[in-house]
Amino acid sequence: DAKTTQPPSMDCAEGRAANLPCNHSTISGNEYVYWYRQIHSQGPQYIIHGLKNNETNEMASLIITEDRKSSTLILPHATLRDTAVYYCIVRVNNAGNMLTFGGGTRLMVKP
Amino acid sequence: KAGVTQTPRYLIKTRGQQVTLSCSPISGHRSVSWYQQTPGQGLQFLFEYFSETQRNKGNFPGRFSGRQFSNSRSEMNVSTLELGDSALYLCASSDGGGYTFGSGTRLTVV
Repeated sequence: DAKTTQPPSMDCAEGRAANLPCNHSTISGNEYVYWYRQIHSQGPQYIIHGLKNNETNEMASLIITEDRKSSTLILPHATLRDTAVYYCIVRVNNAGNMLTFGGGTRLMVKP
Repeated sequence: KAGVTQTPRYLIKTRGQQVTLSCSPISGHRSVSWYQQTPGQGLQFLFEYFSETQRNKGNFPGRFSGRQFSNSRSEMNVSTLELGDSALYLCASSDGGGYTFGSGTRLTVV
């Protein structure tokens, strides 16, 4: 699986959009971009994933650049409950292909 | 739909002992993966089981083993516990697409 690079920490004001970047310059054509988050002492929670096109669901939006070498996870209106470590993972979407977690970004949402 | 259930939630063991952790996947999910999370090493993949067979294995010593039953429930075992095995052990189940994680078992070795 391709390696990802994320800033170790970010702050965001409550109610504002949180934009979390991820670089994956060695991503292969068949690798998807996945985002998970982990709230303290809980298991990681799936947020969203995409291959090429931008994706949106009830939790977040995922913007993938045209060359697919980077992406941004957007939480449109961050709340205090969004404080967590966010992991960007790239992987082939095959059954049995495990998740390789990096260090993630620790997002602190402040009132 | 019930989520992934891990038991016990917390565990304290002594060095040299062995421990067994349990994971019940989401109904219908046949794949169960195990991960270890420590402050120093982060989240690391241990192994994955599918239809009672180990399909993938991470870089951990043989003291770490697992199995999966016909109902997809999985157990992992750590023998001859070391202080460094203190960690949050997470189980994830999958139906072939994304992964859903349990809340984990926090193991403390003293």
